[in-house]
Amino acid sequence: GAVVSQHPSWVICKSGTSVKIECRSLDFQATTMFWYRQFPKQSLMLMATSNEGSKATYEQGVEKDKFLINHASLTLSTLTVTSAHPEDSSFYICSARINRARRDTGELFFGEGSRLTVL
Amino acid sequence: GNSVTQMEGPVTLSEEAFLTINCTYTATGYPSLFWYVQYPGEGLQLLLKATKADDKGSNKGFEATYRKETTSFHLEKGSVQVSDSAVYFCALSPQGGSEKLVFGKGTKLTVNP
Repeated sequence: GAVVSQHPSWVICKSGTSVKIECRSLDFQATTMFWYRQFPKQSLMLMATSNEGSKATYEQGVEKDKFLINHASLTLSTLTVTSAHPEDSSFYICSARINRARRDTGELFFGEGSRLTVL
Repeated sequence: GNSVTQMEGPVTLSEEAFLTINCTYTATGYPSLFWYVQYPGEGLQLLLKATKADDKGSNKGFEATYRKETTSFHLEKGSVQVSDSAVYFCALSPQGGSEKLVFGKGTKLTVNP
């Protein structure tokens, strides 16, 4: 199946610093990527939809100035957590959709996830 | 709104036991339904799916049937293996071709030899 890779897989940072997480589609082009967040024992919550060449669409309650998303190419989307605080500590997961022509409605390919710990 | 409720875990079974993980959903219209699996240290992978009522998705011995009358999509496997140990997520994709998946909280399964 299609491969999506995230980097880094885990990161520890000090409060107030910014952290960038990369999401790459390794063997296909993804016009749309999605960023999810998962708290312990909670479900994955969609944060934003990242569209290549345009601004990301954020879900209600997600601060766009805090979670900067850039989708500069068809194989790379980045999530930057700006001025991170301990409450931002979470598991961040990206996913990518190959193209709209596929019959498999809603099927996504996921990265391995990135665990952020803010001290 | 759209939501997915799946049984609380963790679930611990012995090898060759029968597995059921319950999943019910709330959605307007006719969503597509999915089960994703996350093995330790890996990303989520699609396990099976069903796109309309009464469809049965199956893969690797796992099955789930789209039951519109009970708004359910329970995951079953007749004989689990140690290698099935993972976290299982039930999810739906709302009607209209929306790409936004709505997930349940996940159920951790541990299978002991």
